[in-house]
Amino acid sequence: AQRVTQPEKLLSVFKGAPVELKCNYSYSGSPELFWYVQYSRQRLQLLLRHISRESIKGFTADLNKGETSFHLKKPFAQEEDSAMYYCALSGLSFNKFYFGSGTKLNVKP
Amino acid sequence: EAGVAQSPRYKIIEKRQSVAFWCNPISGHATLYWYQQILGQGPKLLIQFQNNGVVDDSQLPKDRFSAERLKGVDSTLKIQPAKLEDSAVYLCASSLGLSGRGDEQYFGPGTRLTVT
Repeated sequence: AQRVTQPEKLLSVFKGAPVELKCNYSYSGSPELFWYVQYSRQRLQLLLRHISRESIKGFTADLNKGETSFHLKKPFAQEEDSAMYYCALSGLSFNKFYFGSGTKLNVKP
Repeated sequence: EAGVAQSPRYKIIEKRQSVAFWCNPISGHATLYWYQQILGQGPKLLIQFQNNGVVDDSQLPKDRFSAERLKGVDSTLKIQPAKLEDSAVYLCASSLGLSGRGDEQYFGPGTRLTVT
């Protein structure tokens, strides 16, 4: 069955430190993976998707099919990065989206 | 462009009562999703429409939940009768593409339902 796991509920780092939010997925087919972000008092919004292979707000994520992971990384965290981050999975053989339980990133000054 | 609209924003009801939520997607978006987000969890897809047809409703508790998207635009989600475990934020999202796969989903502000 398809599943998305985000092992950390909360991640606290200091401003300027590197950050990595972990995401592992379970799916035997060809996955499509996304990171969505929800800033305080704002709507859930797309941050990036693996298929576009772009960097958004300094964040990158690489799909590792061998490790079935799609970790989100940023070399230097900023206070404005503090938010809730959700990893999501879709795939060519099904139409659903599966979201992970989310990781709250707290960037301290 | 105007975003996805949802109403009401908050609703408190007693168990066994009925409730309905409304969603107006972004104009021209073919795909519409309803998610349930229980506190501390990620959004769980309840039902997905493409235009006015159901693409997937496998996780919709059909004994008490129903949804429709008449004319392929607005949608309503209903719960009848509500249970305590239905307390959650109900999110509506829409996307442009035919299948929704790989398309960016635009989310509404959500409706926070409390069942007492």
